[in-house]
Amino acid sequence: GAGVSQSPSNKVTEKGKDVELRCDPISGHTALYWYRQSLGQGLEFLIYFQGNSAPDKSGLPSDRFSAERTGGSVSTLTIQRTQQEDSAVYLCASSLGRARNTIYFGEGSWLTVV
Amino acid sequence: GDSVTQMEGPVTLSEEAFLTINCTYTATGYPSLFWYVQYPGEGLQLLLKATKADDKGSNKGFEATYRKETTSFHLEKGSVQVSDSAVYFCALREATDSWGKLQFGAGTQVVVTP
Repeated sequence: GAGVSQSPSNKVTEKGKDVELRCDPISGHTALYWYRQSLGQGLEFLIYFQGNSAPDKSGLPSDRFSAERTGGSVSTLTIQRTQQEDSAVYLCASSLGRARNTIYFGEGSWLTVV
Repeated sequence: GDSVTQMEGPVTLSEEAFLTINCTYTATGYPSLFWYVQYPGEGLQLLLKATKADDKGSNKGFEATYRKETTSFHLEKGSVQVSDSAVYFCALREATDSWGKLQFGAGTQVVVTP
């Protein structure tokens, strides 16, 4: 597609449920990033994938969070046993994967845990 | 570790006023520096960037100069419009991170009134 596509755009879930957020990067982009934007917290790096290399998971806040990227393209961020503090906008981004390449962001998935 | 600090908002100003948003960073080496903008209801967009000391990034009337001596990358616009109302994020990419994940400041909300 023309840009980074994320779904769902909005998700309300009950505390304790699992959620999956999907990201479809720009075609041909080898690097894919997940960030979280919480009210008053700015943008927090979660995880990134680059080609076939092992992902950098250093930003995942707990073991309830995981992500995978299938076939080097679509990625799914999974949050298990959601908590209210997980409420945030989850942003996906992609790039051509070299240090000087621009990173393009999707519009985000708004997650509300009630 | 590397970090970015930007002035807190909201910044409220009248149309045609001069805008400055301060951004300073802490980093080893020579990071690349970015300003991203998030308009209401939209995803993050790259506004401008600079990859080495004394570079000036510019776009849509905005400018920022990479100042190594003061570790700063302040964003300026000479005459703002209502349409510039948005949240602005300063970010850096570590020089040693060849795959390029970004570290963001907390964001500064700018409100321009007619």
